[in-house]
Amino acid sequence: EAGVVQSPRYKIIEKKQPVAFWCNPISGHNTLYWYRQNLGQGPELLIRYENEEAVDDSQLPKDRFSAERLKGVDSTLKIQPAELGDSAVYLCASSDGGSGNQPQHFGDGTRLSIL
Amino acid sequence: RKEVEQDPGPFNVPEGATVAFNCTYSNSASQSFFWYRQDCRKEPKLLMSVYSSGNEDGRFTAQLNRASQYISLLIRDSKLSDSATYLCVVLNLNAGNNRKLIWGLGTSLAVNP
Repeated sequence: EAGVVQSPRYKIIEKKQPVAFWCNPISGHNTLYWYRQNLGQGPELLIRYENEEAVDDSQLPKDRFSAERLKGVDSTLKIQPAELGDSAVYLCASSDGGSGNQPQHFGDGTRLSIL
Repeated sequence: RKEVEQDPGPFNVPEGATVAFNCTYSNSASQSFFWYRQDCRKEPKLLMSVYSSGNEDGRFTAQLNRASQYISLLIRDSKLSDSATYLCVVLNLNAGNNRKLIWGLGTSLAVNP
């Protein structure tokens, strides 16, 4: 079974530039998550999708972050403009939603560095 | 008080030792519990779910104590390859019946030769 696929693996940009990350979840998983993880911290949820609906985006900084999951499969997360504090690893995860007791499977993450 | 708390460690143990981590959670209505393992600069990977009756997978044993609101992970006969950060994850349902996963900050384990 193919896992969660993310790209790019690494991204280096200057502050104030836009950046986008892409995620392809495990086939059949209707729940998709975007997390941000800083060094030495646990993952912090940014947004959760059930199919194409964003059901929890309370932690997403909406002034500069946006996400979409058209057709309820692939998802993109965008930052515009990027700030120095956005340097982190951005993780995408998916689960076979249902009751919510299903564990999450993570992609390799995108390591973002802002110069 | 944080919703999920873990001792950050690091725990330094020799090969073959038995080591245990605890994780406390604040919401008595928490639904599900997981242990994830994260290697340096890698993504978290599910180690095991934690069931009410406790569960074992090889050298790993997970237990849940609802009365005291903690879960534990026991690693027996530790190997060098067990060196990683172990993340505790708790699933909560809020008033709107929306589920939310709360992640601990992780406990760092270093197994030494």
